[in-house]
Amino acid sequence: AQSVSQHNHHVILSEAASLELGCNYSYGGTVNLFWYVQYPGQHLQLLLKYFSGDPLVKGIKGFEAEFIKSKFSFNLRKPSVQWSDTAEYFCAVRAAGNKLTFGGGTRVLVKP
Amino acid sequence: KAGVTQTPRYLIKTRGQQVTLSCSPISGHRSVSWYQQTPGQGLQFLFEYFSETQRNKGNFPGRFSGRQFSNSRSEMNVSTLELGDSALYLCASSPGPAQAIQETQYFGPGTRLLVL
Repeated sequence: AQSVSQHNHHVILSEAASLELGCNYSYGGTVNLFWYVQYPGQHLQLLLKYFSGDPLVKGIKGFEAEFIKSKFSFNLRKPSVQWSDTAEYFCAVRAAGNKLTFGGGTRVLVKP
Repeated sequence: KAGVTQTPRYLIKTRGQQVTLSCSPISGHRSVSWYQQTPGQGLQFLFEYFSETQRNKGNFPGRFSGRQFSNSRSEMNVSTLELGDSALYLCASSPGPAQAIQETQYFGPGTRLLVL
């Protein structure tokens, strides 16, 4: 069965700091990869996704993620965070024919 | 396009009761998936419906059931509620089958269920 792990449960950083959230999955075949964000009191929103092609994916709000197939990783990055990036971030993976599997989430708090 | 809508947004029930939650997908989307979100277990897949047929089911007891109508709207039912059923129930829709490669799911705001 596929599984997804997010290494950090909580991250606290100051505005303008750089953010990197780790995501690793366990499946050797073709996968679709997603990052979703859940702002306080709001619903899950898609940040970015990777299906194929360029492993560096750009999403909304200045976020990007890099797919490294050899490391089974899909890490999320943002060069300079803002207070409004305070949210919970979820990595999700789907192998063909399987359900979407989510990581446990990382709560990010950006201090103004 | 309107997003995924879920009703009701909040619900309080007591143990032993049953509850029905509703989800309207994005117009044109034919797949609806349901997830349970709790602080301890995170986001867990309940089931998926596509074209009125259940295509996949997660590891939840039979008290959890669902259905999909011809207009793609879906309902989820939980019978004999337990305290542990308190959670945020999320609905997601996609144009095609949720497990198909290169499908993207879009989530609704959720229904927060509290079981007392």
